[in-house]
Amino acid sequence: AQSVTQLDSQVPVFEEAPVELRCNYSSSVSVYLFWYVQYPNQGLQLLLKYLSGSTLVKGINGFEAEFNKSQTSFHLRKPSVHISDTAEYFCAVSEGNAGNMLTFGGGTRLMVKP
Amino acid sequence: DAGVIQSPRHEVTEMGQEVTLRCKPISGHDYLFWYRQTMMRGLELLIYFNNNVPIDDSGMPEDRFSAKMPNASFSTLKIQPSEPRDSAVYFCASRTQGQGYTFGSGTRLTVV
Repeated sequence: AQSVTQLDSQVPVFEEAPVELRCNYSSSVSVYLFWYVQYPNQGLQLLLKYLSGSTLVKGINGFEAEFNKSQTSFHLRKPSVHISDTAEYFCAVSEGNAGNMLTFGGGTRLMVKP
Repeated sequence: DAGVIQSPRHEVTEMGQEVTLRCKPISGHDYLFWYRQTMMRGLELLIYFNNNVPIDDSGMPEDRFSAKMPNASFSTLKIQPSEPRDSAVYFCASRTQGQGYTFGSGTRLTVV
């Protein structure tokens, strides 16, 4: 069975600093990986996804993530954060068929300080 | 494209009452998912449908929960009777093959 671990429940960072949100997964088959963002009182919005091909994936709002199969990781990065990036970020994995159910990590709250 | 539409946005009900949450997926999407989000357990998959047929309902917590999808454009999640521990945000999401999920804005349920 698949599982996702987000190692940090909260990440405080100052505005314009770089940030990395960590995500590790466990699966016995090929996987598809996703990052979602949730702003307060809103639903989840897709930031980026890895289905195949290049292991470096670029998403919206200047975010990118790198798929590392040997380390079973899919860390999310942004070189310079803004106050508006303050939100909850969820890593998710889908096994085999990219149409099947997503399993989410516990989420990481990114808190950007002025 | 109006996205995934959920109603109501907020629901406050008394313990023991029946609650029905509604979802309209994106037209053309053949998968529909119901998730529950709580502080304690995060995002949990309750049930999902493919072409209106329930595929996996192993996440439904107990018999008080039921979900239906009578057609491709509508799904309901019903709780009867409701209990305070059912208080959570319930999300509906839809997708089609090769695409990421699109989530609705959620229904915040409070059972008092």
